[in-house]
Amino acid sequence: QQPVQSPQAVILREGEDAVINCSSSKALYSVHWYRQKHGEAPVFLMILLKGGEQKGHDKISASFNEKKQQSSLYLTASQLSYSGTYFCGTELAGAGSYQLTFGKGTKLSVIP
Amino acid sequence: DSGVTQTPKHLITATGQRVTLRCSPRSGDLSVYWYQQSLDQGLQFLIQYYNGEERAKGNILERFSAQQFPDLHSELNLSSLELGDSALYFCASSVGGTGNEQFFGPGTRLTVL
Repeated sequence: QQPVQSPQAVILREGEDAVINCSSSKALYSVHWYRQKHGEAPVFLMILLKGGEQKGHDKISASFNEKKQQSSLYLTASQLSYSGTYFCGTELAGAGSYQLTFGKGTKLSVIP
Repeated sequence: DSGVTQTPKHLITATGQRVTLRCSPRSGDLSVYWYQQSLDQGLQFLIQYYNGEERAKGNILERFSAQQFPDLHSELNLSSLELGDSALYFCASSVGGTGNEQFFGPGTRLTVL
C-alpha cells in the first residue's frame, strides 16, 4: 500500500527543473505532497483529489492522473530553498479511509 | 510555526520503560494523527483520532496506545520500550479527516538506551 516515489534522490543546480513521481497500486482518493527539511517537521505543499486535477503553488505544481494512480510534483526554476525531502502521501479510495500512507521520500538538493 | 505543539521535545529513557508523548492540535482542528519517523522506515502512520474517537489505525504496535481528550489534546503512550522504538514521533492535526491538509508539530525525539 505504500506509494512508490522516484527518483530516490536528485541534485539540481539553481534554476533547473525537476519532476518527482509518486505511484500507487491501489485506487486513490487523494495525494498529498509535503516537504521536510533536515531536523524539521514536514510542511504541507498541496493536496490533489481524484478527478485528474492539477494544482500550482508558486513555481511548484502537481498533477494527479487518476487512471494511472500516479501523481507528479513539478519544481521549476529551482531555488536553494527547495532543498529537502519530498514525501507524497496517499489516501485510498473507499468509505472511511482516513489513513495517509507516505512514500519513502525523494531527497532534493539544490546547489548554487 | 504550524500551531501544533508537542511535548517533550527530547526524551531519553531505558529499555522496558514507559513514556507519554503529548500533542495539542491547532485551534479548531478536530483530527489528530500520530506518526513515527525513523531513518530506515520513513514516515509511518500510527493512529488517527477525530473529535475524541479513534478513526484509523496504521502500523501501531500493541505496546503503543493513544487517546484524544475532550479538550482535543492527544497523548501517545509507549510501553515496554525497545531499542528499535527510538525515532522521531510527530503529531499532526487537521480540520477534518479525509482530504484535508495536515499540520505537523515539531516532533518528539525519543531515544531508548
